[in-house]
Amino acid sequence: DADVTQTPRNRITKTGKRIMLECSQTKGHDRMYWYRQDPGLGLRLIYYSFDVKDINKGEISDGYSVSRQAQAKFSLSLESAIPNQTALYFCATSDPSLGAATGELFFGEGSRLTVL
Amino acid sequence: AQKITQTQPGMFVQEKEAVTLDCTYDTSDPSYGLFWYKQPSSGEMIFLIYQGSYDQQNATEGRYSLNFQKARKSANLVISASQLGDSAMYFCAMANTGGFKTIFGAGTRLFVKA
Repeated sequence: DADVTQTPRNRITKTGKRIMLECSQTKGHDRMYWYRQDPGLGLRLIYYSFDVKDINKGEISDGYSVSRQAQAKFSLSLESAIPNQTALYFCATSDPSLGAATGELFFGEGSRLTVL
Repeated sequence: AQKITQTQPGMFVQEKEAVTLDCTYDTSDPSYGLFWYKQPSSGEMIFLIYQGSYDQQNATEGRYSLNFQKARKSANLVISASQLGDSAMYFCAMANTGGFKTIFGAGTRLFVKA
């Protein structure tokens, strides 16, 4: 089984619907992230969390919310989905003790969301 | 502001040849880390290599090496002896001090020709 698991892997929904993407990890990392990938734009940070009591906005948080239910679980919600939120979404974790100054990101398999 | 630039949207390389994927970065933070990730057509993100800003030697991992030129703020990925399985999207990334808020470049799609 993957260390970082995302559900659903694929989802097609309609404009205005509420969508939740879930992420769970078995790596024991405190830090968790949600990224969005769009062609030609790379990955952009939506939200990040350093522990269950610490949640921070990334560069593109508008239209999204998150919940850190436990150390191992970090969910991303789209309260009212719109077509330009169609993208590939990645959950990731990191452990800054791995590197001298930074931490490698461990990614889930990705959740492909299409908003019609 | 921090920024990662990958100027090559697509690259072609012949199998068994070496290829260099360009990456330049901008940061005012004295301590940072540079990463390369590979994304095959299946979509998952695979960590390839890491370079710390204070590392004196260029990082190497098997066929991957990172050509780190700090004064030029470049962190190019060199893949030696390309294989068909190297065909993928490659992302350069930078994390600031403390290892959070990693930013990514737009990516370079590499095509390896038989």
